[in-house]
Amino acid sequence: GENVEQHPSTLSVQEGDSAVIKCTYSDSASNYFPWYKQELGKRPQLIIDIRSNVGEKKDQRIAVTLNKTAKHFSLHITETQPEDSAVYFCAAQEETSGSRLTFGEGTQLTVNP
Amino acid sequence: DAGITQSPRHKVTETGTPVTLRCHQTENHRYMYWYRQDPGHGLRLIHYSYGVKDTDKGEVSDGYSVSRSKTEDFLLTLESATSSQTSVYFCAISDLETQYFGPGTRLLVL
Repeated sequence: GENVEQHPSTLSVQEGDSAVIKCTYSDSASNYFPWYKQELGKRPQLIIDIRSNVGEKKDQRIAVTLNKTAKHFSLHITETQPEDSAVYFCAAQEETSGSRLTFGEGTQLTVNP
Repeated sequence: DAGITQSPRHKVTETGTPVTLRCHQTENHRYMYWYRQDPGHGLRLIHYSYGVKDTDKGEVSDGYSVSRSKTEDFLLTLESATSSQTSVYFCAISDLETQYFGPGTRLLVL
């Protein structure tokens, strides 16, 4: 089955700096890669996703890049703000798995004012 | 937030007792999922459903069973709760790719 590794497990940045979180996956059949943000005590919420036929996607201060050859994808947050502080999860989905997602273990991002 | 509710939101129970958690959706999505979330483990899939009466196991299914008799409801049952099942349980729904999560249920097994 699919295995997703996520790094780093914790990340601390100064407000206004950029943050990068990286994930690798094992199954070359995976073709959909969402990122979720989870604030303390809340549900995970989708912030951006990318499909395997696209190399990069941006949404305001958030971008995701995908390298299918190397089987890794990354989340980039620019101009970080204190409200970006949360746990971020990457995930991978393979088309034949019944829409199942395999999640990374999460990154605790702290943005210091 | 997508139309997903979970009940109960909090529960304390004793080892050996049966527990049922309910997930209800109003989106008419085909797929429904149960995850557990524990520190250091992220979100792990327990069971999922791809239609009424169609379910399959996830990576941590031991000690859990599920049922889906209607499109809108997906039940997770702990037949005999153990302390290792203390966790936060999230339900999710999906039309094909994007999964939307419910608010979660905090379960404490004493």
